[in-house]
Amino acid sequence: TQLLEQSPQFLSIQEGENLTVYCNSSSVFSSLQWYRQEPGEGPVLLVTVVTGGEVKKLKRLTFQFGDARKDSSLHITAAQPGDTGLYLCAGSTVGSNYKLTFGKGTLLTVNP
Amino acid sequence: GAVVSQHPSRVICKSGTSVKIECRSLDFQATTMFWYRQFPKQSLMLMATSNEGSKATYEQGVEKDKFLINHASLTLSTLTVTSAHPEDSSFYICSAGGQRATNEQFFGPGTRLTVL
Repeated sequence: TQLLEQSPQFLSIQEGENLTVYCNSSSVFSSLQWYRQEPGEGPVLLVTVVTGGEVKKLKRLTFQFGDARKDSSLHITAAQPGDTGLYLCAGSTVGSNYKLTFGKGTLLTVNP
Repeated sequence: GAVVSQHPSRVICKSGTSVKIECRSLDFQATTMFWYRQFPKQSLMLMATSNEGSKATYEQGVEKDKFLINHASLTLSTLTVTSAHPEDSSFYICSAGGQRATNEQFFGPGTRLTVL
């Protein structure tokens, strides 16, 4: 059973601060996705990383995939209240029949 | 990204009744769809994988006779909660995937089910 350990589970910060969310596993993933979900809505795909060591940027968000493809991080610079939401990492392995393994999520609150 | 719709967005029903939730992929053919359940402030819990034209594969602990899944076409999957009880109240989300080698899934907006 593949597990994705996501931390922290809860994070409350002030506007303008930086933060990092981590996802770690003992399993190797062929790809890893990050999603953001707002209350009462479905998750929205932010990014997919597939290559070990890959770094992707999406405005103030920076995503990194570990060299061994077992871990990933999401860094947000100068957080804004609009960044508030549940952030989910999800990994896919070869032969998983397209299923994703989800982390437990990070509930981020950015206070103005 | 791909667009997935879900209907209804919110449903309230009496205990003992059945409720059907539809999930549609609007701009692509989804050979594989997934049904999740989500409790407040928690991550997604996979209930079943639905493949077009075949029986759904249920996760351990999910009652297949209670949560009936049908994937009759490449754009539509349905989840029927049979004889619903208050403990079935939850947020149900579908997703469509299997389109890319990266296994991305595209999620519907979810259905809030409340069983009285």
